[in-house]
Amino acid sequence: AQSVTQLDSQVPVFEEAPVELRCNYSSSVSVYLFWYVQYPNQGLQLLLKYLSGSTLVKGINGFEAEFNKSQTSFHLRKPSVHISDTAEYFCAVNGFQKLVFGTGTRLLVSP
Amino acid sequence: GAVVSQHPSRVICKSGTSVKIECRSLDFQATTMFWYRQFPKQSLMLMATSNEGSKATYEQGVEKDKFLINHASLTLSTLTVTSAHPEDSSFYICSARGLADIQDTQYFGPGTRLTVL
Repeated sequence: AQSVTQLDSQVPVFEEAPVELRCNYSSSVSVYLFWYVQYPNQGLQLLLKYLSGSTLVKGINGFEAEFNKSQTSFHLRKPSVHISDTAEYFCAVNGFQKLVFGTGTRLLVSP
Repeated sequence: GAVVSQHPSRVICKSGTSVKIECRSLDFQATTMFWYRQFPKQSLMLMATSNEGSKATYEQGVEKDKFLINHASLTLSTLTVTSAHPEDSSFYICSARGLADIQDTQYFGPGTRLTVL
């Protein structure tokens, strides 16, 4: 069965600093991996996805993620965060026609 | 493109009443729609998967008679919470997947906050 582990429940960071949100997955089949962002009281917005090909995936809002098969990881990175990046971030893996989500990481950006 | 709407965005109802939530794909045909429930500060829990024109598939532990799902067209799915109780209060989110999205790319609606008094 597929599963996702987001190791950090909360990541505080100062504005303009780099950030990495960690995600590890477990899957017995070929994986498709996703990062979603959720702002307060809103639905989820797709940041980026890995389906195949290049292991470095670029998404919206300056985010990128790298698929590492040997480490079963799909960490999300941004070189310089803004206050507006404060939100909840969810990593997800496909599993038999449905998505399996991690528990989420709250990114807190302060001035 | 790939916009999903939900209505209402917020609803407050009395215990024992039924509430219907609509999920629409605005600019694509959604062959599959998903309904999730999210408790405060927690992840999304998949409740059910619905394919247009067929019965929904419910996840283990989700009462199908409590949470009625209808997917009558390629752009509309509804979730009806029947005889709602305070423990049904939650944030309900739908998502949709189109014909071309075979690798599980789902597009999410903005969510509906249900409060049962």
